[in-house]
Amino acid sequence: GENVEQHPSTLSVQEGDSAVIKCTYSDSASNYFPWYKQELGKRPQLIIDIRSNVGEKKDQRIAVTLNKTAKHFSLHITETQPEDSAVYFCAASRVDMRFGAGTRLTVKP
Amino acid sequence: EAGVAQSPRYKIIEKRQSVAFWCNPISGHATLYWYQQILGQGPKLLIQFQNNGVVDDSQLPKDRFSAERLKGVDSTLKIQPAKLEDSAVYLCASSLMTGGGNEQFFGPGTRLTVL
Repeated sequence: GENVEQHPSTLSVQEGDSAVIKCTYSDSASNYFPWYKQELGKRPQLIIDIRSNVGEKKDQRIAVTLNKTAKHFSLHITETQPEDSAVYFCAASRVDMRFGAGTRLTVKP
Repeated sequence: EAGVAQSPRYKIIEKRQSVAFWCNPISGHATLYWYQQILGQGPKLLIQFQNNGVVDDSQLPKDRFSAERLKGVDSTLKIQPAKLEDSAVYLCASSLMTGGGNEQFFGPGTRLTVL
């Protein structure tokens, strides 16, 4: 089955800096790659997703890139704000979804 | 639209006891998922239903866990008997259809503590 690895496990940045989280996946048939944000004690919320026929997608301060050949995808957050502090999960899916272990992002004011 | 509903929100039981969780997906969503999220980890898919049929249950510990979605709408997940390592948040999610590209919407989860 699909295996998703996510790095780093923790990330601390200064407000205004950029943050990058990277994931790799094992199943070349996976075709959907969402990113979820989970605040403490709350449910995961989709923040951005990308499909396998697209290499890059951007939504305001958030962007995701996908390299199908290398089987990795990344989340980029620019101009980070304290409210971006949360745990971020990547996932890969063809039929069933597999999540990475998560990255705890801390944005220091 | 109303979101995914789950109950109870919290449950504390002793090991070897039984427990059941309920989920009502977003109206019209054919696919329903149960995830287990242990503290500090990502959600782990336990079982995925398409209407009332099972799509994937490869990670469901079938000796103690069972799930059903008899009428293709709401679903129950049961643990019998519970172990200490079952302490986790159990998340239910739903999507319009099965397959890549279908956004999953999560419920608030049920936090299970096994003593």
